[in-house]
Amino acid sequence: KAGVTQTPRYLIKTRGQQVTLSCSPISGHRSVSWYQQTPGQGLQFLFEYFSETQRNKGNFPGRFSGRQFSNSRSEMNVSTLELGDSALYLCASSLARLAGIYNEQFFGPGTRLTVL
Amino acid sequence: KQEVTQIPAALSVPEGENLVLNCSFTDSAIYNLQWFRQDPGKGLTSLLLIQSSQREQTSGRLNASLDKSSGRSTLYIAASQPGDSATYLCAADDSGGSNYKLTFGKGTLLTVNP
Repeated sequence: KAGVTQTPRYLIKTRGQQVTLSCSPISGHRSVSWYQQTPGQGLQFLFEYFSETQRNKGNFPGRFSGRQFSNSRSEMNVSTLELGDSALYLCASSLARLAGIYNEQFFGPGTRLTVL
Repeated sequence: KQEVTQIPAALSVPEGENLVLNCSFTDSAIYNLQWFRQDPGKGLTSLLLIQSSQREQTSGRLNASLDKSSGRSTLYIAASQPGDSATYLCAADDSGGSNYKLTFGKGTLLTVNP
């Protein structure tokens, strides 16, 4: 069974540009979460999608947005890039998270974004 | 707001040593506590998950404990090996149980020397 796939793996952009990152979850998984990892702040939760609906959102500015498609693939978009957006962006997929039921999250290898 | 702290930030030990990594969290209303491993340039690998009603979990040479009342968790690694070298992250699940939202510590960088 293929793992979580993230594309591209590496990306270089300049300030002011926008970027779209993609995450393909494990087949059958319906929940996708996004995290940002930086040396200073560590791993921080961005948002979680389940069945095309955003269920939870972290404390990030509106420049960070995401969506999930009917096949559970997810994209996140960052507009008007800033130097501080340079980070490793990780996505994680899971079967589902319902009250009383916890299914393990599986993380992808991440997309390394560098903003110049 | 949940805050997770890990001590020490880095640890270097000789092969074969037993070691303990510490994790503390400020809000005890967590659903579960997880330990992950991250290798350089890679994603996260889940090691152990402790539900809020549990006190500990074991997997091979790894044992994790949870004390919600004191806001602490420890990861015990027995008979460390060079292959254990990685960054270890703990994460508190404070989503309320109906979705996913993990708050991570900044990790402990472990180096096991042959």
